[in-house]
Amino acid sequence: QKEVEQDPGPLSVPEGAIVSLNCTYSNSAFQYFMWYRQYSRKGPELLMYTYSSGNKEDGRFTAQVDKSSKYISLFIRDSQPSDSATYLCAMRTGNTGFQKLVFGTGTRLLVSP
Amino acid sequence: DAGVIQSPRHEVTEMGQEVTLRCKPISGHDYLFWYRQTMMRGLELLIYFNNNVPIDDSGMPEDRFSAKMPNASFSTLKIQPSEPRDSAVYFCASRPRQTSTDTQYFGPGTRLTVL
Repeated sequence: QKEVEQDPGPLSVPEGAIVSLNCTYSNSAFQYFMWYRQYSRKGPELLMYTYSSGNKEDGRFTAQVDKSSKYISLFIRDSQPSDSATYLCAMRTGNTGFQKLVFGTGTRLLVSP
Repeated sequence: DAGVIQSPRHEVTEMGQEVTLRCKPISGHDYLFWYRQTMMRGLELLIYFNNNVPIDDSGMPEDRFSAKMPNASFSTLKIQPSEPRDSAVYFCASRPRQTSTDTQYFGPGTRLTVL
């Protein structure tokens, strides 16, 4: 079983819809959680960064972490065609020193006009 | 800044041939990472360097893979001999020593096809 599980999609929604993207994980030591966005034929870029449990909002994007359930989510409000991309969750432990990121396989999102 | 630069962008080769992928990290970044991305396995860390020194190569799939970082502005990932199962997109990423968000800056990737 992978440390981080993510539904590959694709997830197809109409423009303006609320999108929910999710990851589950098995390592309870993970404390830092990220969402990367990857457009086609491009490298991933950091979209959201959160520490421990709770919510974080940035414009139309909200990242949510539930450590008790080992479950993280990314919500996109008023989705736009430009949001069409693959979204990868990533996480790492809180141990001191540099810690590697563990990525999910990514969920492909398609927002139709 | 031009960002992380990778070359070539596409590589098609035949099984058994040597393949060399190149990366120029963002100037001033202390960490450099090599990742491989496939549909089945997602984004996997192969190896990372800190100040040009390889720190963790546990993700390198086998001895056919090797990576070097001779200086702070250049790194290579070599596959010798290449096999069809090595077909994937290979990303290089870099990161400064101090960051508040664990941001890794990815290059555009090299799409490798081994026939």
